[in-house]
Amino acid sequence: EAGVTQFPSHSVIEKGQTVTLRCDPISGHDNLYWYRRVMGKEIKFLLHFVKESKQDESGMPNNRFLAERTGGTYSTLKVQPAELEDSGVYFCASSHRWDSPLHFGNGTRLTVT
Amino acid sequence: LAKTTQPISMDSYEGQEVNITCSHNNIATNDYITWYQQFPSQGPRFIIQGYKTKVTNEVASLFIPADRKSSTLSLPRVSLSDTAVYYCLVGDMRRNQGGKLIFGQGTELSVKP
Repeated sequence: EAGVTQFPSHSVIEKGQTVTLRCDPISGHDNLYWYRRVMGKEIKFLLHFVKESKQDESGMPNNRFLAERTGGTYSTLKVQPAELEDSGVYFCASSHRWDSPLHFGNGTRLTVT
Repeated sequence: LAKTTQPISMDSYEGQEVNITCSHNNIATNDYITWYQQFPSQGPRFIIQGYKTKVTNEVASLFIPADRKSSTLSLPRVSLSDTAVYYCLVGDMRRNQGGKLIFGQGTELSVKP
């Protein structure tokens, strides 16, 4: 089966610009997660979708971040406007059931200059 | 939320068995123990998961003592390709928390020829 795919793999933008990250989960996986690692820190949970509904968005840092999963398939994570501290690697993961292991994508490396 | 403590780094040689121990003194009844592996420029990859006693799969074994305050990941006969960061995570089994993983710093395993 195809794994979790993320696009783009790298993105370099200027402070104040908008960036949209995309994640395509494994087909049939209802659960989709966003995580991120900012410079020098640990990987942190951002939010969890079950199909198209946000199950838990307690890890979203602020209202500059907006995640969507229309139709319960792929998901997007928009950062608007981007700040320097948003630089890092954004990972998407999916799972079939809530208690199944997570399958991670290779991440999007975001650099805000 | 239970936090984990594991060695920052470990060295080994090809063909040896590697045991990485993780401490999770505050583990709760609903928590399970999961290990992930991460290579540079890739997302974390699930290795093994367990709740108590011993779990074995084709890749590794996981030993969990009766008090569940620690766990040991055992990698038999490592090769150079096992050089990676290994994360010990403790996660809540309840339905709405299953994928909300708490990552620590991980253990950077270096396998030498």
